Amino acid sequence: DAGVTQSPTHLIKTRGQQVTLRCSPKSGHDTVSWYQQALGQGPQFIFQYYEEEERQRGNFPDRFSGHQFPNYSSELNVNALLLGDSALYLCASSLGAGNQPQHFGDGTRLSIL
Amino acid sequence: QKEVEQNSGPLSVPEGAIASLNCTYSDRGSQSFFWYRQYSGKSPELIMSIYSNGDKEDGRFTAQLNKASQYVSLLIRDSQPSDSATYLCAGYGGATNKLIFGTGTLLAVQP
Repeated sequence: DAGVTQSPTHLIKTRGQQVTLRCSPKSGHDTVSWYQQALGQGPQFIFQYYEEEERQRGNFPDRFSGHQFPNYSSELNVNALLLGDSALYLCASSLGAGNQPQHFGDGTRLSIL
Repeated sequence: QKEVEQNSGPLSVPEGAIASLNCTYSDRGSQSFFWYRQYSGKSPELIMSIYSNGDKEDGRFTAQLNKASQYVSLLIRDSQPSDSATYLCAGYGGATNKLIFGTGTLLAVQP
């Protein structure tokens, strides 16, 4: 039973660049949520995708955008990268967009130079 | 006031003891609560889900929810050094209808 997979594992970018992170949900799950986790903090909700639409959004600027594909996989795009965007980006999947448990992938560690 | 609050710790307990991790939340409409374990440099791993008042047990773990007091706890019996990690409390529902995490409590189990 495949769990949540994310790619790439690590990424180094410079300020102003753009980045795309990818996520495949756990088998049987149809909802993908993205989180940003800074060192020493809990994950911060970015947005959630269900039925290929953004259903909920956290307090993140429009530089953060996403997409969900018909096979439920998802992408997170960040434009005009800032130093403060350096963090661990986590994808979590669940069955349905409600209060079902979310299961996390291993994350992508993004470093901005 | 943070929506989900946890003591950052570290909480240090001897091997074999009971570790008690606590969490409070501000949104009375929150419906569901989750405990995640996160080892250093790794991603969060779901340990327990709790949806109604009372206790829920799973092996060495017991989650407790008291909606009147807006309080959630996680008890770990017979703590092992391998339990040393950061424990994240998360609540779902209420005004935001999003999963909101606390900052986590660092647990250190001393051999």
